[in-house]
Amino acid sequence: QMQLVQSGAEVKKPGASVKVSCKASGYAFTDYYIHWVRQAPGQGLEWLGWINPATAATHYSQKFQDSVTLTRDTSISTSYMELNRLTSGDTAVYYCARVAWELLGALDIWGQGTMVSVSS
Amino acid sequence: IVMTQTPLSLPVTPGESASISCRSSQSLLKSDDGNSYVDWYLQKPGQSPQLLLYTVSLRAPGVPDRFIGSGSGTDFTLKISRVEAEDVGVYYCMQRIEFPRTFGQGTRVEIK
Repeated sequence: QMQLVQSGAEVKKPGASVKVSCKASGYAFTDYYIHWVRQAPGQGLEWLGWINPATAATHYSQKFQDSVTLTRDTSISTSYMELNRLTSGDTAVYYCARVAWELLGALDIWGQGTMVSVSS
Repeated sequence: IVMTQTPLSLPVTPGESASISCRSSQSLLKSDDGNSYVDWYLQKPGQSPQLLLYTVSLRAPGVPDRFIGSGSGTDFTLKISRVEAEDVGVYYCMQRIEFPRTFGQGTRVEIK
């Protein structure tokens, strides 16, 4: 069964950093890009960026260029999203999602989401 | 690219049809392959988004044929024929012709 399993909820203080993991199983990890999307409480979806697990190449939304870092560890089929200099505005559920080339590049598998709460 | 969905809330009666509109601020048509790159996702209560339709009208595996996508260029529609109780949630359109990917605000579908 193909799936993405994310790490658990985090509570951080303003100015801190958080690193969320996304472990892939049931498919060849390096064959599919991973995108990251977030959703603030009661709000819509906001795209952060992508990583190519095969090469570690990344692309970020300009909004997050200086605050988000995407990495991966191919030995454990895991992608990571690190968000720095947290503010209350970063409180959200963070999702990883797989790009399905078989579906012309749509996001076909999503992780269960990781809640990141930022509060002093 | 700004994606604008209407309506934002849609009460529906089971068995009836429902339509959601999604308009983009620029064309999503890729000239070299003729595809328009808009996808539809459904986020059921308490769940992650799930893919319904990709490139306007292609249904993701396992998606019932009650979900029908249409449109091209800048105007797109998701139609749900014969709405069922399990269809409740928030529907999002997303463009992927360019980065950053952008989503519509979401349309909340609820049963009357």
